[in-house]
Amino acid sequence: DIQVTQSPSSLSASVGDRVTITCQASQDIRHHLNWYQQKMGEAPKILIYDASILETGVPSRFSGSGSGSDFTFTITSLQPEDIATYYCQQFDNLPLTFGQGTKVEI
Amino acid sequence: QVQLVQSGAEVKKPGSSVKVSCKVSGVAFSTSYITWVRQAPGQGLEWMGRIVPVVGRPSYAQKFQGRVTITADKSTGTAYLEIHSLRSEDTALYYCARQYNNILDYWGRGTRVTVSS
Repeated sequence: DIQVTQSPSSLSASVGDRVTITCQASQDIRHHLNWYQQKMGEAPKILIYDASILETGVPSRFSGSGSGSDFTFTITSLQPEDIATYYCQQFDNLPLTFGQGTKVEI
Repeated sequence: QVQLVQSGAEVKKPGSSVKVSCKVSGVAFSTSYITWVRQAPGQGLEWMGRIVPVVGRPSYAQKFQGRVTITADKSTGTAYLEIHSLRSEDTALYYCARQYNNILDYWGRGTRVTVSS
């Protein structure tokens, strides 16, 4: 199975801050990585797919980059509504695997 | 609009089985991947398996192979997840999700399964 290591596990930032989360895959997964946001009590929601493509309707302050085994997710200006846990997920090979999650707090 | 409506919460005894349903509407059910993901209390997301109803042959994470059965009823647009030989570690929220072009784009609200003696 492809392991996806996400860091940090949690972070605290202020409104307007730049927030960065990283994911490292255990092997080359090309650009086959998605990012999801999960707010408390809700199902996950797709934000970024194929490592860097913003899902329709998602604010442009969210972005993703990377390929191969190293990926980055960025919120350029943290907003109160961004409080959530963020997960990366690889789809290069079955089983689909998720990172451990990053809880973002203000 | 797209909806994935899951069955209600279950409380089960260790060693028993549970079957969770996921009724899909608003998308082409037969040609969609219907995926099951679970989330233990306070934990992350874990992919269990998926099925394409038109093919009918599911794929499972090795961890669940032999203890989990994923099926789909094309006539009702409903997918099912059955877990056998339940143990306390199976206590979790079970989500169904539609996978399209490698994206889990639509999700159910989750079904809570509690395993307790």
